[in-house]
Amino acid sequence: GDSVTQMEGPVTLSEEAFLTINCTYTATGYPSLFWYVQYPGEGLQLLLKATKADDKGSNKGFEATYRKETTSFHLEKGSVQVSDSAVYFCALRWSRTGGSYIPTFGRGTSLIVHP
Amino acid sequence: DSGVTQTPKHLITATGQRVTLRCSPRSGDLSVYWYQQSLDQGLQFLIHYYNGEERAKGNILERFSAQQFPDLHSELNLSSLELGDSALYFCASSVGGTGESPLHFGNGTRLTVT
Repeated sequence: GDSVTQMEGPVTLSEEAFLTINCTYTATGYPSLFWYVQYPGEGLQLLLKATKADDKGSNKGFEATYRKETTSFHLEKGSVQVSDSAVYFCALRWSRTGGSYIPTFGRGTSLIVHP
Repeated sequence: DSGVTQTPKHLITATGQRVTLRCSPRSGDLSVYWYQQSLDQGLQFLIHYYNGEERAKGNILERFSAQQFPDLHSELNLSSLELGDSALYFCASSVGGTGESPLHFGNGTRLTVT
């Protein structure tokens, strides 16, 4: 079935460093792609999304571009802050028999930002 | 605040017991999804309901069951609990049932089986 692969963490950076978290997917067709973020003690919340090839999702300084040719949706931020420390999940919509579409998630990448 | 309410926040129970986790979706959302999050397995999809009907099942054990009521709240029942069932259980809701609209997650129920 369809799946998402994320780079393993933790990713440890100093404040103001550049961030990249890699995400690749396997899917039939062209699913919508998402990044979610989970802060300590909370549920996941949507960070950004892209619905078709070459779309760029962006929010709070984070960006990700839907690359069909490399089946990737890497998350980037130019200058991270301590408050960005969280777990980041890449996700895609996949289809099941009967036509019900369910979002499926990568294993998550922990980001730790030091002052 | 996502608008999704999960109760209780924490549950501690013994092996062999049965528990019920409750989820109230965001106002206007018809879909409810249940996920299990553990350290070694990541976020695992359990089951999806849309407007009271079961739409899809993931790797949900036979000891687990769920339902969505007419007022759209949902309950996840876990029975004959084992140590390995200890995890965070999340409920998420969305407007549609196609997986295209974003999910809104509750803060989860942490289940500890001793």
